[in-house]
Amino acid sequence: GNSVTQMEGPVTLSEEAFLTINCTYTATGYPSLFWYVQYPGEGLQLLLKATKADDKGSNKGFEATYRKETTSFHLEKGSVQVSDSAVYFCALSAGGAGGTSYGKLTFGQGTILTVHP
Amino acid sequence: GAVVSQHPSRVICKSGTSVKIECRSLDFQATTMFWYRQFPKQSLMLMATSNEGSKATYEQGVEKDKFLINHASLTLSTLTVTSAHPEDSSFYICSARRRGEVYEQYFGPGTRLTVT
Repeated sequence: GNSVTQMEGPVTLSEEAFLTINCTYTATGYPSLFWYVQYPGEGLQLLLKATKADDKGSNKGFEATYRKETTSFHLEKGSVQVSDSAVYFCALSAGGAGGTSYGKLTFGQGTILTVHP
Repeated sequence: GAVVSQHPSRVICKSGTSVKIECRSLDFQATTMFWYRQFPKQSLMLMATSNEGSKATYEQGVEKDKFLINHASLTLSTLTVTSAHPEDSSFYICSARRRGEVYEQYFGPGTRLTVT
């Protein structure tokens, strides 16, 4: 079956530090890959996505590149801010249209990020 | 935007009673809604997928008779936890997929259920 593994947290950084959160996956077929962010007290929001190999998703200074050869989708940001403190989830969606897995998301366990001033 | 609301945000109920949680898409039509369960410090676990006007599809291991899902309209889905027990205490999250979109899901803020 499909699965997503994220690096364990929590991750604590100082403002302006470099961030990497590792994510690897196992899936049948050709999944689409996502990073979701959950700010305190809010629902999950899509941060970025990539739908095919070598695609790079980017948003709000965050980037992740779909690496099929290493089955990875690591999240990076060059300079984090206090406002980036949140829980980050890596996820995949696999399965062709009409199949039983169509559109379903499989999530990693989430990584708590805390950024200090 | 694509806003999804859940009600209530928190609920406490006694063991043996039933609890209904509502999930609404406020500014779009949701052809598909998903219900997840999230345990502390763990990932989201998909419970079921519901399409408007048809029966929900439950994931393996999820009891259909315990977690009743209704998707009565394009903007509303409900999850009813029947005969709740303390082990049903959890954070329940819904998401909705907009008509015409394939992969993106818009998430509600979640409902914290505590069964005493």
